[in-house]
Amino acid sequence: EPEVTQTPSHQVTQMGQEVILRCVPISNHLYFYWYRQILGQKVEFLVSFYNNEISEKSEIFDDQFSVERPDGSNFTLKIRSTKLEDSAMYFCAGVQGFGDSPLHFGNGTRLTVT
Amino acid sequence: AQKVTQAQTEISVVEKEDVTLDCVYETRDTTYYLFWYKQPPSGELVFLIRRNSFDEQNEISGRYSWNFQKSTSSFNFTITASQVVDSAVYFCALRPNSGGYQKVTFGTGTKLQVIP
Repeated sequence: EPEVTQTPSHQVTQMGQEVILRCVPISNHLYFYWYRQILGQKVEFLVSFYNNEISEKSEIFDDQFSVERPDGSNFTLKIRSTKLEDSAMYFCAGVQGFGDSPLHFGNGTRLTVT
Repeated sequence: AQKVTQAQTEISVVEKEDVTLDCVYETRDTTYYLFWYKQPPSGELVFLIRRNSFDEQNEISGRYSWNFQKSTSSFNFTITASQVVDSAVYFCALRPNSGGYQKVTFGTGTKLQVIP
């Protein structure tokens, strides 16, 4: 069964550095998402992406964050000037289309900002 | 705006007991979809079940069953004859159907511990 692939599985960075989290969605998926889960807390929506544009973003997704799908396959989340509170698990997800299709999640990237 | 409430923070059961996880939701949309996801200790999010708002028929799938009641905005999930491998955090989630593919809103999760 096709999977959503995220790399790296764990990223450690120093405060103020930029990180890029990468995701390869399932090929026939149309909508893509980034979610964040601070340790032990809820899964929070960051941004959705469709047709090479952001379709919705949360209040968490400020100017520090950006997403792109540069080559039609990889879907990236860039976090500029990381802060300690950015430490979390970041999940990429995709969905094929409308209706009751569930989100398919990658295994996540654990970001640790020191 | 959507909201999903899982009032049970943690539940412990002894293996083979049945356990029900509660979920209450809020949405202004008349059509929506409800999901349950499992997050085992390894951390991935695994889709379990879904339900459309226009179909209140409750179902059973193996050891999983769910009780969707639109009148009380509840979507409870039951595991029958629990096993140690069921130990995980379970998330209830909601997606409205108001055009395009809207974001999925998750509850805060219920941590289930199945004791052997």
